[in-house]
Amino acid sequence: KQEVTQIPAALSVPEGENLVLNCSFTDSAIYNLQWFRQDPGKGLTSLLLIQSSQREQTSGRLNASLDKSSGRSTLYIAASQPGDSATYLCAVPTGNQFYFGTGTSLTVIP
Amino acid sequence: DTAVSQTPKYLVTQMGNDKSIKCEQNLGHDTMYWYKQDSKKFLKIMFSYNNKELIINETVPNRFSPKSPDKAHLNLHINSLELGDSAVYFCASSQNPGLQGGQQFFGPGTRLTVL
Repeated sequence: KQEVTQIPAALSVPEGENLVLNCSFTDSAIYNLQWFRQDPGKGLTSLLLIQSSQREQTSGRLNASLDKSSGRSTLYIAASQPGDSATYLCAVPTGNQFYFGTGTSLTVIP
Repeated sequence: DTAVSQTPKYLVTQMGNDKSIKCEQNLGHDTMYWYKQDSKKFLKIMFSYNNKELIINETVPNRFSPKSPDKAHLNLHINSLELGDSAVYFCASSQNPGLQGGQQFFGPGTRLTVL
């Protein structure tokens, strides 16, 4: 069974800092890995999707990497802003399931 | 323009009632999903439909019955609601079938509270 872990569970940084969120998974037989953000009381917003054959994806200030063999992905956020405050979730489809991590709650302090 | 919409956003009801949650997507996607997010924030897939046909049906009580009148809609009907059904339910869609079908787009969620 796939297990997805995200570290840290919570992170608080001053505005402008660069930061890295970590995601690890136990079963490397994944199709892709997707990063989402979830705002309080709101739905999930898809940020980036990395196919299993890719190593990296970039969107604006976000950069996600994938090391399938070691079961790890990182989400790099450059020049953080207060609007980046949210919970960030990684998710991996494996078999017939879509496994989500428990998320990292990010607070960017103005 | 909302890509994936759900109604209602909040639903508070008594145990034993029957309720429905509606989902619509205007992305032209062929595949839609229902997920349940429990109190520990884990999201678990419940159902997936591709072109109105059920393709994923995880182990959920048969009190939950999805209905897809067309590929842009996937509704979730729940009979005889129980306290443990309280959760946030998310609808999602993707272009291709199966969980490997690429990026999934989620609705805002429906917070169901059973009293």
